[in-house]
Amino acid sequence: AQTVTQSQPEMSVQEAETVTLSCTYDTSESNYYLFWYKQPPSRQMILVIRQEAYKQQNATENRFSVNFQKAAKSFSLKISDSQLGDTAMYFCAFIDEKLTFGTGTRLTIIP
Amino acid sequence: GAVVSQHPSWVICKSGTSVKIECRSLDFQATTMFWYRQFPKQSLMLMATSNEGSKATYEQGVEKDKFLINHASLTLSTLTVTSAHPEDSSFYICSARDPGGADEKLFFGSGTQLSVL
Repeated sequence: AQTVTQSQPEMSVQEAETVTLSCTYDTSESNYYLFWYKQPPSRQMILVIRQEAYKQQNATENRFSVNFQKAAKSFSLKISDSQLGDTAMYFCAFIDEKLTFGTGTRLTIIP
Repeated sequence: GAVVSQHPSWVICKSGTSVKIECRSLDFQATTMFWYRQFPKQSLMLMATSNEGSKATYEQGVEKDKFLINHASLTLSTLTVTSAHPEDSSFYICSARDPGGADEKLFFGSGTQLSVL
């Protein structure tokens, strides 16, 4: 069974700084997708970024980028020029037959 | 606009009653839907995977007779909490998988907060 681990329960960073959230996973599959989701206080799940396992190039979406290390089964999220609106819970997720979430990282951006 | 509609957003019920939560994909056919439960300040815990036209696959520890899932059409899956008790109070979220196109696409409903008195 696949597992997703986020080792940082909470993080905080000053506005405009860069922060990296870590995620590791375990699977025997070779073809899969990885995601980072953001959950603000509204509790709506918002897709931040997606990475296909067969692509070596790291995905980027504006201020968000990932460092995908397939051999190490690592999938970290980097947020550049952090903004107050980035304050939220962030979940790493993995999908093959089912979507499995990590335990989450509560990120606080300090003004 | 929202591509997955989940209703109701909030429900309060008496202990012993049953509650039905609906999850609809609005502009795509979802062959697979996932149901999650989320306790305060915790992650989303997968309860079951719902495939259209077949029985749902439940995760270990989830009572299938307690949480009835019906995926009768390609756009609708329902979760019924039967004989609800206070310990069933939680936030329930559905997710629908869009099989179309080359990219994996998942869309989430806005969630249902269930409070059982």
